[in-house]
Amino acid sequence: EPEVTQTPSHQVTQMGQEVILRCVPISNHLYFYWYRQILGQKVEFLVSFYNNEISEKSEIFDDQFSVERPDGSNFTLKIRSTKLEDSAMYFCASSETGEAFFGQGTRLTVV
Amino acid sequence: DQQVKQNSPSLSVQEGRISILNCDYTNSMFDYFLWYKKYPAEGPTFLISISSIKDKNEDGRFTVFLNKSAKHLSLHIVPSQPGDSAVYFCAAILSSDSGYALNFGKGTSLLVTP
Repeated sequence: EPEVTQTPSHQVTQMGQEVILRCVPISNHLYFYWYRQILGQKVEFLVSFYNNEISEKSEIFDDQFSVERPDGSNFTLKIRSTKLEDSAMYFCASSETGEAFFGQGTRLTVV
Repeated sequence: DQQVKQNSPSLSVQEGRISILNCDYTNSMFDYFLWYKKYPAEGPTFLISISSIKDKNEDGRFTVFLNKSAKHLSLHIVPSQPGDSAVYFCAAILSSDSGYALNFGKGTSLLVTP
């Protein structure tokens, strides 16, 4: 069964460093998303991506964040200068139409 | 601004009984609702959905009911099994040509005891 895969499963980084979280969406899907879940809180929408551009983003997705689909298969989330409060589980998702399918998540720990 | 609310953070049910998870929403323009199940350290897994034009959708042991006038939906699991123990998230979307953002509730942790 096709699935969304995310790497790495756990990323530890120093505050102020740049991180890139990687995702391989399901191959025939057209819509791509990043969500995050801070420990103990709800899953929050960050950004959606369609037709090679951002289609929607939340107030969380500020200038520190960017997304890219560099090669037609990967979908990346870059955080330029990480802050302690960026520590969370980051989930990538993709959809064709209807429901979104999520990856297993990347746990980002900023120290 | 919490557009999707799950007011019960946890629920405990005996195996074989019915589990009822509730969800309320504030935006009457939502046109699609979904339930996701999440185990610790895993991504949310899609469970069942319902379009706003329907009031019930059933898939095996899982049934979702939608009451648009009350802006309320519920997920029924019958019979509940220990493997159903997980966090259940209600989500709602406004669909558009450019995709959509899932608005999640805070989740309800279901524990099914033997």
